[in-house]
Amino acid sequence: QKEVEQNSGPLSVPEGAIASLNCTYSDRGSQSFFWYRQYSGKSPELIMSIYSNGDKEDGRFTAQLNKASQYVSLLIRDSQPSDSATYLCATLGEQGGKLIFGQGTELSVKP
Amino acid sequence: NAGVTQTPKFQVLKTGQSMTLQCAQDMNHNSMYWYRQDPGMGLRLIYYSASEGTTDKGEVPNGYNVSRLNKREFSLRLESAAPSQTSVYFCASSVLGSSYNEQFFGPGTRLTVL
Repeated sequence: QKEVEQNSGPLSVPEGAIASLNCTYSDRGSQSFFWYRQYSGKSPELIMSIYSNGDKEDGRFTAQLNKASQYVSLLIRDSQPSDSATYLCATLGEQGGKLIFGQGTELSVKP
Repeated sequence: NAGVTQTPKFQVLKTGQSMTLQCAQDMNHNSMYWYRQDPGMGLRLIYYSASEGTTDKGEVPNGYNVSRLNKREFSLRLESAAPSQTSVYFCASSVLGSSYNEQFFGPGTRLTVL
């Protein structure tokens, strides 16, 4: 059973701090990794994709991938209350394009 | 460019009733997906269609059927609704190719089965 594990949280950080969200996956063959943001009552929104080891930066967001450790993380710099949401980690499963999602980490940014 | 659209947004059914959830995308994507999301269970794949004319079961297909009507549209049917099918249903689409499969989600349908 291929799995993606996330700490459910809630993770609480003060405004302006760095929020660090972590994800581990069991399938060593996973090639693609995604972070989705989901506000309460809304649909998941893709915010980052990463395919190779190392860091990928997009504005205040940085995704980090370590395939040897089967670990992917999302850093949010200068966190804002508007970043408060559930963050879903997903990996690309077997052929056919099926994503495997983690349970999500709830982030709360306090003013 | 509306992206992925779903109808209806909300629905209440009685046990045993049937209904079809509609999904359409205007991004020229070839792959489409149906998920359900329940508290504590995360997103679970019900059915997917890798390309027009093909459909395959996902993790939780029992009680559902799908139709890939054309490249744009992918519908999910509940033939005899049960309270266990109370959930939020999301449709998603993607361009399937090599290692890339960025999926984009519709706004969801909130279904309650009494």
